[in-house]
Amino acid sequence: DQQVKQNSPSLSVQEGRISILNCDYTNSMFDYFLWYKKYPAEGPTFLISISSIKDKNEDGRFTVFLNKSAKHLSLHIVPSQPGDSAVYFCAASATGGATNKLIFGTGTLLAVQP
Amino acid sequence: KAGVTQTPRYLIKTRGQQVTLSCSPISGHRSVSWYQQTPGQGLQFLFEYFSETQRNKGNFPGRFSGRQFSNSRSEMNVSTLELGDSALYLCASSSGTSGSESYEQYFGPGTRLTVT
Repeated sequence: DQQVKQNSPSLSVQEGRISILNCDYTNSMFDYFLWYKKYPAEGPTFLISISSIKDKNEDGRFTVFLNKSAKHLSLHIVPSQPGDSAVYFCAASATGGATNKLIFGTGTLLAVQP
Repeated sequence: KAGVTQTPRYLIKTRGQQVTLSCSPISGHRSVSWYQQTPGQGLQFLFEYFSETQRNKGNFPGRFSGRQFSNSRSEMNVSTLELGDSALYLCASSSGTSGSESYEQYFGPGTRLTVT
C-alpha cells in the first residue's frame, strides 16, 4: 500500500523555467511533509518542509504548496537551474505518535536542460 | 556543524554472514533513523532510536536490528545476510524533540552493501 505517491517518474524542464513536482498521499494522519533532493549513491538532501497547518512555505527558489482536502502537495522550483537535476522525493510523517518515521514517495527524476 | 557520517561507505559480504553499520548523528541530535533504499522498494523505514530506545520499527524481519549509544551514535546489524539485502542503507538524524524543526531529518551519505 503506497501511502505517498509521486506519479511522474520523470520531468524535463528548460533552464530558467518553472519545475513543478507533484505528490499525493492517502493517510489522513500525515501532518508534516518534506521534500528531499537526491543524487545517485548519496544520501537525500533536505530541501523544504511544510506543516499541515500551513498551505504554503517558501525558501528562496523553492516553494511547497499543500492542499489538505485533495491530499496533494507540490514543489515549485523557480527559476530552474541545471544543478537542480536530480531525483526529488516527497516524504510524509504522522508526528502525533512522537516518532520520526518518514514515508517516502517513489521519486521524480528532474532533468533541467541548459 | 559536521553532518551525519556513516561508516563504512561500501561493503561486500557473502550470504549467511552478518554486518554492522555505524552512524554518527549531527551534534546535539538525539534521534537516529535508518532507511533502506533499493531499486524495487524505494526508501523504506527500518527503525528509529531516541535516547538509546527504539521508538519505532518498520516492517522488516528480525534479522535487522539496531542500537543507540549514550552519545547518540547508532549501529544497525543485519544477520544471516540474503542476496535481497543488497541496498543503500541510510541513516538520518534529527533533534527528536517537539516542534516543527525536530521533524526535519538530515541524511548521511549511506553505506552501499552488496551481498554475493
